[in-house]
Amino acid sequence: EAGVAQSPRYKIIEKRQSVAFWCNPISGHATLYWYQQILGQGPKLLIQFQNNGVVDDSQLPKDRFSAERLKGVDSTLKIQPAKLEDSAVYLCASSFSGGRVYEQYFGPGTRLTVT
Amino acid sequence: TQLLEQSPQFLSIQEGENLTVYCNSSSVFSSLQWYRQEPGEGPVLLVTVVTGGEVKKLKRLTFQFGDARKDSSLHITAAQPGDTGLYLCAGESRDDKIIFGKGTRLHILP
Repeated sequence: EAGVAQSPRYKIIEKRQSVAFWCNPISGHATLYWYQQILGQGPKLLIQFQNNGVVDDSQLPKDRFSAERLKGVDSTLKIQPAKLEDSAVYLCASSFSGGRVYEQYFGPGTRLTVT
Repeated sequence: TQLLEQSPQFLSIQEGENLTVYCNSSSVFSSLQWYRQEPGEGPVLLVTVVTGGEVKKLKRLTFQFGDARKDSSLHITAAQPGDTGLYLCAGESRDDKIIFGKGTRLHILP
């Protein structure tokens, strides 16, 4: 079974530029998550989708971050414009929402450096 | 706001030693997961605990969920260099939110 795919793996941009990340979850997983992981910290949830609807985006900086999940499968996360403090690893995860326990499967992440 | 505090932040020990890392909160969690993350990779799920007092074993790793479902521990017996990594706990809060701790960075010296 294929895991969660993410691209690109690395991205370097200048501040005020825009960037987009792509995620393809495990087939059949209805729930998709985007996390931000700053060096030395645990992942912080940015947004959670159930199929193509948003369940939780309370920690998403909506003035510069946006995310969508068209057709309830792939998802993109966009930052526009980027700031220096956005330098982090952006992780995508998916889970099968058949039960209450959210066991998540993570992709390898995209390491973003903003200069 | 529910928080998960992990301790210690860093741990470096010799191969063959035993160790325990902790995940604590003042709040009750419906379930708790432990993940291991290696450099350049995403976290990998090790175990999920759901019932207070539950103990699960995964080879040399023993996971325990506190009776009150507010804390958890991970014990590693006879640590090996392959155990090196960032160990994260994540809890499912009562309002169905997923919260991660900051992790314990473990380094096993050969």
